[in-house]
Amino acid sequence: DTAVSQTPKYLVTQMGNDKSIKCEQNLGHDTMYWYKQDSKKFLKIMFSYNNKELIINETVPNRFSPKSPDKAHLNLHINSLELGDSAVYFCASSPRTSGGLKTGELFFGEGSRLTVL
Amino acid sequence: GQSLEQPSEVTAVEGAIVQINCTYQTSGFYGLSWYQQHDGGAPTFLSYNGLDGLEETGRFSSFLSRSDSYGYLLLQELQMKDSASYFCAVRDPNTGFQKLVFGTGTRLLVSP
Repeated sequence: DTAVSQTPKYLVTQMGNDKSIKCEQNLGHDTMYWYKQDSKKFLKIMFSYNNKELIINETVPNRFSPKSPDKAHLNLHINSLELGDSAVYFCASSPRTSGGLKTGELFFGEGSRLTVL
Repeated sequence: GQSLEQPSEVTAVEGAIVQINCTYQTSGFYGLSWYQQHDGGAPTFLSYNGLDGLEETGRFSSFLSRSDSYGYLLLQELQMKDSASYFCAVRDPNTGFQKLVFGTGTRLLVSP
């Protein structure tokens, strides 16, 4: 059973299009994240949700809109795609504790590689 | 803000020992985590140091010195399958420690 699953795994599209990536976790975690990994492999957080509530919103263009219908799902919609959006997008989850991420352990999905032409 | 620096690449041969360093600058500190990521794969959690000293998990160990703002990951008896990127990470106190900030990453190449 896949713990954190993302679809699609690969996405190739033209500039200006709109696309969505879906994520689901079956770990029973309360917190989910979107991270972006660029071509230099730098991992940067974009958003985080806890029990459907947005708790982290980094400086991300408002073309990116996350949605969490329930605590097991976190989707990412991207409008008007640009060349610079090409990257691997990782969904992750973690249990929430009163001390935040207790050991810094996140559970990542396999990633969605987005290529904008 | 938080910043973590790592060497970009390290090379070693099978059976050897390699150390991957991480120096950090943070506005608050609450432990150092390490992740491994194979090409095309997901980052996976390796270890966590909340206190100074060495934590051992099989062939991998991780060390932390809070006074030096420094840590390292030590990989022993290297195997080809250890070729991957390794990231250190810290939790951001400005977000109630909910946000994990990653280092620049170190690519480890293990040769026969």
